[in-house]
Amino acid sequence: GQSLEQPSEVTAVEGAIVQINCTYQTSGFYGLSWYQQHDGGAPTFLSYNALDGLEETGRFSSFLSRSDSYGYLLLQELQMKDSASYFCATSGNTPLVFGKGTRLSVIA
Amino acid sequence: DGGITQSPKYLFRKEGQNVTLSCEQNLNHDAMYWYRQDPGQGLRLIYYSQIVNDFQKGDIAEGYSVSREKKESFPLTVTSAQKNPTAFYLCASSMRDRDYEQYFGPGTRLTVT
Repeated sequence: GQSLEQPSEVTAVEGAIVQINCTYQTSGFYGLSWYQQHDGGAPTFLSYNALDGLEETGRFSSFLSRSDSYGYLLLQELQMKDSASYFCATSGNTPLVFGKGTRLSVIA
Repeated sequence: DGGITQSPKYLFRKEGQNVTLSCEQNLNHDAMYWYRQDPGQGLRLIYYSQIVNDFQKGDIAEGYSVSREKKESFPLTVTSAQKNPTAFYLCASSMRDRDYEQYFGPGTRLTVT
């Protein structure tokens, strides 16, 4: 089977940096995606890592270590609007599988 | 503007009734997906389709049915056989070889009483 583990909740201060971890067990692994979902809204695609290393897109970065079956999403210069749920998802020889999500609360 | 639409946003039904949720995309994507999301949970795949006139069951297909007669449309029917149909339903689409980057509709919140 396939499974992903990520923390259920994280709280961080506005302006700070936060890291959301994701570990996975997936057969036929191709890569790791990250999505953001605000309450009541639709998930939006943030990033995809197929190779080991760090990918940076503005304030958001995503990291993958295939040998450790581990990745993380790094959010810098946190803003109140970053309060949302963040999902990691694995792609492979089966359809995309999502983790249960990490609810990020940004506080003043 | 290209995008993916779902209607209605809120839907209320009585137990024992079938209900069909609409999903339309104008992104020219080959692949389309239906997910169910329950409170505090991730997205669970119900059905997906990678090409017109073909679709595959996902992890929780029981009690649901779909059709894919047009590239743009992928309606989902929640049948009376679905034991616990109250949930938030999300439709998504992607290019066929880029399923890691999916575009989601706004969702339909279905309540069955």
